[in-house]
Amino acid sequence: GQQVMQIPQYQHVQEGEDFTTYCNSSTTLSNIQWYKQRPGGHPVFLIQLVKSGEVKKQKRLTFQFGEAKKNSSLHITATQTTDVGTYFCLMDSNYQLIWGAGTKLIIKP
Amino acid sequence: GAVVSQHPSRVICKSGTSVKIECRSLDFQATTMFWYRQFPKQSLMLMATSNEGSKATYEQGVEKDKFLINHASLTLSTLTVTSAHPEDSSFYICSARSALGRPGTQYFGPGTRLLVL
Repeated sequence: GQQVMQIPQYQHVQEGEDFTTYCNSSTTLSNIQWYKQRPGGHPVFLIQLVKSGEVKKQKRLTFQFGEAKKNSSLHITATQTTDVGTYFCLMDSNYQLIWGAGTKLIIKP
Repeated sequence: GAVVSQHPSRVICKSGTSVKIECRSLDFQATTMFWYRQFPKQSLMLMATSNEGSKATYEQGVEKDKFLINHASLTLSTLTVTSAHPEDSSFYICSARSALGRPGTQYFGPGTRLLVL
């Protein structure tokens, strides 16, 4: 069956440092979506990637979809306290939807 | 656009009672709605997928007689936790997917925190 992984589980950064989370699938994806969940809140849609090698930016966030459409990353440049939360990927493979386990972004005090 | 509401936001009930949670898509027609459960510090766990007018598809390990789902219209799905017990206490979130717009995008409701005493 399909194997999926999102890493790391947690990432502690100083404010102003960068943050990256990765999602990997053993099978080719039709698309991948990224969501952010603030502590105590519900997931909010960030972006969807569909094309091989696609790169999209939203201000300090950069989303990439691998050439083979099996992996994706979310990179945040110069993190701010408002970035705190858990970032989930949702992998869509032949109409089977699989959520990543999430990466929690923690800003060190 | 693409707003999903969920009611109630919080509920406390006694063990043995049933609790109904409503999920509504306010400005779009949701052909598919999903029900999730989330334990503290854990990822979303898909419980079931429901399509309007048909029976819900439950994930393995989810009791369909315990968690009744009704997707009666294109804007409303309900989850009823029957004979709730303390172990059912959790954060329940619904999401809705439209036939239009970005394919596959899910719009989430704000969630319902259930506490069973």
